Amino acid sequence: EAQVTQNPRYLITVTGKKLTVTCSQNMNHEYMSWYRQDPGLGLRQIYYSMNVEVTDKGDVPEGYKVSRKEKRNFPLILESPSPNQTSLYFCASKPLAGNTEAFFGQGTRLTVV
Amino acid sequence: RKEVEQDPGPFNVPEGATVAFNCTYSNSASQSFFWYRQDCRKEPKLLMSVYSSGNEDGRFTAQLNRASQYISLLIRDSKLSDSATYLCVVALSGGYQKVTFGIGTKLQVIP
Repeated sequence: EAQVTQNPRYLITVTGKKLTVTCSQNMNHEYMSWYRQDPGLGLRQIYYSMNVEVTDKGDVPEGYKVSRKEKRNFPLILESPSPNQTSLYFCASKPLAGNTEAFFGQGTRLTVV
Repeated sequence: RKEVEQDPGPFNVPEGATVAFNCTYSNSASQSFFWYRQDCRKEPKLLMSVYSSGNEDGRFTAQLNRASQYISLLIRDSKLSDSATYLCVVALSGGYQKVTFGIGTKLQVIP
């Protein structure tokens, strides 16, 4: 089954404790992206990647890092989480070419206390 | 001014009604347009792409007006299962390199 898998689905952590949210897709998509969704602000792009070893900042990259060492994986790293990073996070992937659908993971609800 | 603006609603409509949502975008260089549907606390899923000539998929019709920089979504004969949040998505290119989501319009279809 074609899918984008995020882990964990739910996470409560403390300020300053490094964490990684994993994202994996099995569709051989070149493009992957991370978003955060907050009430009243909608989905905002954090980082995206056009292919292996190619990443770029979205609209709200501060406090986040990403890597794309393999095509299927695009982890989101919070080196020192803060409470303002409490949010619902989505990973998405799509083929680079064409006006096609982006497939989203099921989301990760992160709470930083 | 926000890059993509939507009325957050909620729009409460009776079953069988026709409802329309608009979405305006500020970047005239935008190339690709989509409507996504998001059920509560779940991931967004593509409802339909929006083409310059307008397009229809069953009860759903999408329109693009480049001159006025807005896209619209029309839902005819609303069903209870149409209750969701509808996200307007605008990309600078088909590759999604720079993509902006609207905050979404919440639709509640009432029996």
